[in-house]
This record gives sequence, structure tokens and C-alpha cells, in this order.
Amino acid sequence: AQSVAQPEDQVNVAEGNPLTVKCTYSVSGNPYLFWYVQYPNRGLQFLLKYITGDNLVKGSYGFEAEFNKSQTSFHLKKPSALVSDSALYFCAVRASSGYALNFGKGTSLLVTP
Amino acid sequence: SAVISQKPSRDICQRGTSLTIQCQVDSQVTMMFWYRQQPGQSLTLIATANQGSEATYESGFVIDKFPISRPNLTFSTLTVSNMSPEDSSIYLCSDLLAGGRYNEQFFGPGTRLTVL
Repeated sequence: AQSVAQPEDQVNVAEGNPLTVKCTYSVSGNPYLFWYVQYPNRGLQFLLKYITGDNLVKGSYGFEAEFNKSQTSFHLKKPSALVSDSALYFCAVRASSGYALNFGKGTSLLVTP
Repeated sequence: SAVISQKPSRDICQRGTSLTIQCQVDSQVTMMFWYRQQPGQSLTLIATANQGSEATYESGFVIDKFPISRPNLTFSTLTVSNMSPEDSSIYLCSDLLAGGRYNEQFFGPGTRLTVL
């Protein structure tokens, strides 16, 4: 069975500082990893994915994520946070043998001015 | 990406009634999915909507409670039957383009359901 853990319910960052939202996963076989963002009263928006290749993947709005196979992690990062980045972030994993996405419980990011 | 629309965007329903949610995609997609997001919770997959055949349900979800149709490659419906307050959630439709599991899924805006 595949699963995702987001150990932090909330992350608080000051505007301009770097941010990290943590994600670890468990899956049989090669993982396909995704980050999504959900703004209040809006649907999920895709940010980035890791399928294969370079462990550092870049996505929308200046976000990036680093795949670490030995630590089974896929942490989301941004060098300089914006107040507008405040939202709910979900990490998701898909096993290489299936199509369904398993989501983490989400991490609320609050960026303060 | 395919643009996904859902109707209704929200509804308030009485216990014991049923609600059908519609999902329309603007291009033909390989797979369509239905997810539930309970208040303050993550997304849980309800089922995969299969074109022209019965949906594939995840553990804990059954066809009698959540009947799903997918008459063609761009449209699907989810019915929440005999509703109770525990069914109050956001229901999201999602698609996966041809190319399969390498691709990201895109999500509709969701239907916010409140059951009284």
C-alpha cells in the first residue's frame, strides 16, 4: 500500500524567508510524487511532479522540490516566500503500478508580512 | 491540461435526499476520478469512473451509496444517495490525460455539500 506523511499541520514563515514543507512517502516500486496547492474556496492546483531523472524539480510560482530516495522524502521548497503563498499544500504519491493518487493530510502555510 | 467544470458548486440538502454532481471536461481524457474532502481533511479517492462500464470503487465506498456514470470521455456524474450529515464534504472531480501514470491529475473546483 502507498501512503504519504506530512508531519507538520502548519508552517509559519516570514515574507522573504525560505520555506520548506515536508513530505515523506511509502510505496512499492518507483514512486511518482506530486505537490498540489489549495487556496481558500478553490480547487487543487498542480505545482510540480517527480517521475524520474534529476532529483530537484522545479514547478509553478517559484516552487521546487527535492526527491531523496534514501530518506523517502519529497520536500517542497521556495527560496523567498510571498504572502500570497499562504495556502494549503498537499503532497501526493502514485505507485508506478497504478493510477490513483494518495494524498497527505495537508500542511497549512502561513506567510506573514 | 483539460479544464474541468463541476455543477453545482455548492448545495445544502436535507437528510435522506440524493444529490447528483456533474463533471464536464473540455477535452477527451483517459481517466476520470471522484474524490471526497471532508472538513479539515485530505482528499480520499471514492472511485474511478470508467467509460461505458461500472465504476471501480475504493475500499469503504459502495455503488449503492455513490453511483457513478460516465457515458462518454468528457462527462461523469456522482450521486450521493440517502444523504446524512456525515456526507457533508467537498466532492472533486479529477482527470488524467492520455500518457497515463506519468501525468499529473487536474481537479475541478469542487462541489461543497452540506447535509442538514
